Amino acid sequence: DSGVTQTPKHLITATGQRVTLRCSPRSGDLSVYWYQQSLDQGLQFLIQYYNGEERAKGNILERFSAQQFPDLHSELNLSSLELGDSALYFCASSVMSGGGSETQYFGPGTRLLVL
Amino acid sequence: AQTVTQSQPEMSVQEAETVTLSCTYDTSESDYYLFWYKQPPSRQMILVIRQEAYKQQNATENRFSVNFQKAAKSFSLKISDSQLGDAAMYFCAYQSNSGYALNFGKGTSLLVTP
Repeated sequence: DSGVTQTPKHLITATGQRVTLRCSPRSGDLSVYWYQQSLDQGLQFLIQYYNGEERAKGNILERFSAQQFPDLHSELNLSSLELGDSALYFCASSVMSGGGSETQYFGPGTRLLVL
Repeated sequence: AQTVTQSQPEMSVQEAETVTLSCTYDTSESDYYLFWYKQPPSRQMILVIRQEAYKQQNATENRFSVNFQKAAKSFSLKISDSQLGDAAMYFCAYQSNSGYALNFGKGTSLLVTP
């Protein structure tokens, strides 16, 4: 158990819908990272927040957005869902703002299926 | 962007034997970090080992060790005394010292046979 929690574990929805994935980082961690794992794209970095502020952006679609709240939990919002958005979404956390000195610990993931 | 290549989609090893998983990466940076993560059937991403590029000594964690060849940009993972519980997908990842995101390879699926 990494100490990072994600809800829900599974999510099934229809195309065009909007969903929210939630992540609680390890106690004391200020950074949250979101990754997407799909069969065709592999593991891709989406976005990072540090202490409530967006810190880095990766291959995140405009239909996707995220935020980190004062209690440091984070939410990833996916809208206008398409079949290709079906994937495993991971949240990871680290203590500080990132960089190689900080190991990222992953949550169990949310499996999203868009029908 | 840095690319990470795992050239072995699948590997197989017998219990108690040793196996080596390969990883190469492309970078122009001199300071960076390398990781191996394990993803068992549960899909949880578990950190196996990490290596700082500025350290010449290869990292070890119990039965897991790496062979880090900085000039060759190679970072292989050796698993000794393989156990059934080692069966998983193994991902090699690169992290820039000035960046935050982990850049992953495509993964190697390891099968452990009795």
